Parts: sequence; structure tokens; C-alpha cells
Amino acid sequence: DAKTTQPPSMDCAEGRAANLPCNHSTISGNEYVYWYRQIHSQGPQYIIHGLKNNETNEMASLIITEDRKSSTLILPHATLRDTAVYYCIVKSPYNFNKFYFGSGTKLNVKP
Amino acid sequence: DGGITQSPKYLFRKEGQNVTLSCEQNLNHDAMYWYRQDPGQGLRLIYYSQIVNDFQKGDIAEGYSVSREKKESFPLTVTSAQKNPTAFYLCASQGPRGAPEYGNQPQHFGDGTRLSIL
Repeated sequence: DAKTTQPPSMDCAEGRAANLPCNHSTISGNEYVYWYRQIHSQGPQYIIHGLKNNETNEMASLIITEDRKSSTLILPHATLRDTAVYYCIVKSPYNFNKFYFGSGTKLNVKP
Repeated sequence: DGGITQSPKYLFRKEGQNVTLSCEQNLNHDAMYWYRQDPGQGLRLIYYSQIVNDFQKGDIAEGYSVSREKKESFPLTVTSAQKNPTAFYLCASQGPRGAPEYGNQPQHFGDGTRLSIL
């Protein structure tokens, strides 16, 4: 599975959009992009995933570039409760055991 | 509500003792997973099971054992052979197998068990 690169930390003002980038330049054609977040001392929470089209749900939007080498998770109106570590994961549907959680991005939402 | 339940939330192990962490799910998922997370780090896969009565080692299986006798349950035993067991343990599930696009469905996680050495 492809590796991902994320900035170690980001700040965002409460009420503003949080845009979290992820680089996956070695992604292959059948690999999906997944986003999770982990609030301190809790299990990771699934946010969204996609293959090549942009996706939106009640939590966030996922924007994948046309060449699929990078993606951005957008939290449209960040709140203090969105402070967490956000993980970007790339995985093939044929590798059931290959959810690799790296170090992620620590998003700090500030009042 | 459907979900994954891990218990206990906190667990303490004495030297030479085996301890068992519980993971139960009522999501009708076929696949279940155990991960270990150390402070400030990502998750590492210990064991996984894609179906009842079958399981495979992950990347760091030494010192751990599992069983999968029921679809809903996937307990993890941390044996005395695991010399550095202090960590946050997370259970996840995925499925069901017959669902559309099963292979790319996300894993869903419990709230973890924090294991410490006495």
C-alpha cells in the first residue's frame, strides 16, 4: 500500500474551515483514501473515504486531486471538539489487514 | 445501538501473568482486528480474523494470542512472554462479507483498553 505524508500539526480558528492535506504520490489505481481522527484516549473514528471523486458526508468533505497524488480533508466549520489527531490512510480493497495508521496531523482548534 | 465494546477500560498486569482483553461487536461484521498503540505513535496490527475459527498474525504478534469462536467476539490475551505490554489496545471490525464493496469498507474501532504493568 502507498505511503502517506501529513504535516505533524496545524492550527485552526473555531468556526473557520479546517483544511488538512495529505500527500500520497505513490498511490495505485485501486487504492482508496481514508480519513480517521482520534481524540485523546479514544479509539479512531472513521470520517470519510473515496477513490477518485470528491466525497461529502455530514462530518467532512474529501477532495482528491485529479492525479490522485494528494487529497484534502475539509471540516467546514471547525469546533473545539474537532481538536484531534487526523490520519490519512491509503489502502487497496484486496489487502484486508493493511490499515496503516502513521503519526497523523494534530489539529488544534482555537477559540 | 450497534457498536464495538472493549473491556475493561483500564487493566493492570503483574509480572508473569496472562491477561485477556475483551472485544465484542454487534455490527454483524465478519472481520475483526487487534492493534497496539504506544504514546505518540500510530497503530500496529497484532492479529486479525476474517471469519470465525480463523485468524492470522499481524506485524507484532509475538507474546499475544487470540481466539475467534464466535462472530461477535475476538478476545486478545497478552501473555507473560510479551515483555513490554504497556500500551493502548484497540479492537476494530469490518464487514459484513456479503456487503457491497466489502474490501474497501472502513474499519470501525472500539474505545480501547489501556494496559499497564504493576
